[in-house]
Amino acid sequence: SQQGEEDPQALSIQEGENATMNCSYKTSINNLQWYRQNSGRGLVHLILIRSNEREKHSGRLRVTLDTSKKSSSLLITASRAADTASYFCATDFNKFYFGSGTKLNVKP
Amino acid sequence: DGGITQSPKYLFRKEGQNVTLSCEQNLNHDAMYWYRQDPGQGLRLIYYSQIVNDFQKGDIAEGYSVSREKKESFPLTVTSAQKNPTAFYLCASRIVDRDSYEQYFGPGTRLTVT
Repeated sequence: SQQGEEDPQALSIQEGENATMNCSYKTSINNLQWYRQNSGRGLVHLILIRSNEREKHSGRLRVTLDTSKKSSSLLITASRAADTASYFCATDFNKFYFGSGTKLNVKP
Repeated sequence: DGGITQSPKYLFRKEGQNVTLSCEQNLNHDAMYWYRQDPGQGLRLIYYSQIVNDFQKGDIAEGYSVSREKKESFPLTVTSAQKNPTAFYLCASRIVDRDSYEQYFGPGTRLTVT
């Protein structure tokens, strides 16, 4: 399966701390995307990193991609209670494959 | 939720009945997707369509059927052959181009079959 796998499965931090989530995948990709899902809702796209890119920033988000290790990480800096959600990586190679997600809890 | 609507939000059915979930988008996207999400799990691809009147099976297509008669619409039918249909169903769409684009998701339909 090409499915990405996130690590850790759950993460609990205090507001203001940084949160780091990791994603590993198995085969080639065109790009890797990170999505956020609030409980019981649809997914919202956060950031896309192409296979020839190594790092990308968007506001408080920083994504890295290491294609040699088939892994990516998402860093959320200065977290807020509103960042509480599940975060998924998705690999894009003809079809999308989503990982099982990291459930982030940011305590106020 | 980015111009994609799914209805209804909650759906209850008796075992043995077919049920159709609606997905409509006004984003002029070529590709549309159906995913299934079980509690605490990621998304699994059921069917996808990159163009009108054409669609392909995803990883878990058994017990499901779709149609794509219009660009804006991609309804999913959960048939009585689907052994465990209770789940959260998400529809998505995106631009199809040589470049890569993100998917836009609808708010989802929670189906409960008893």
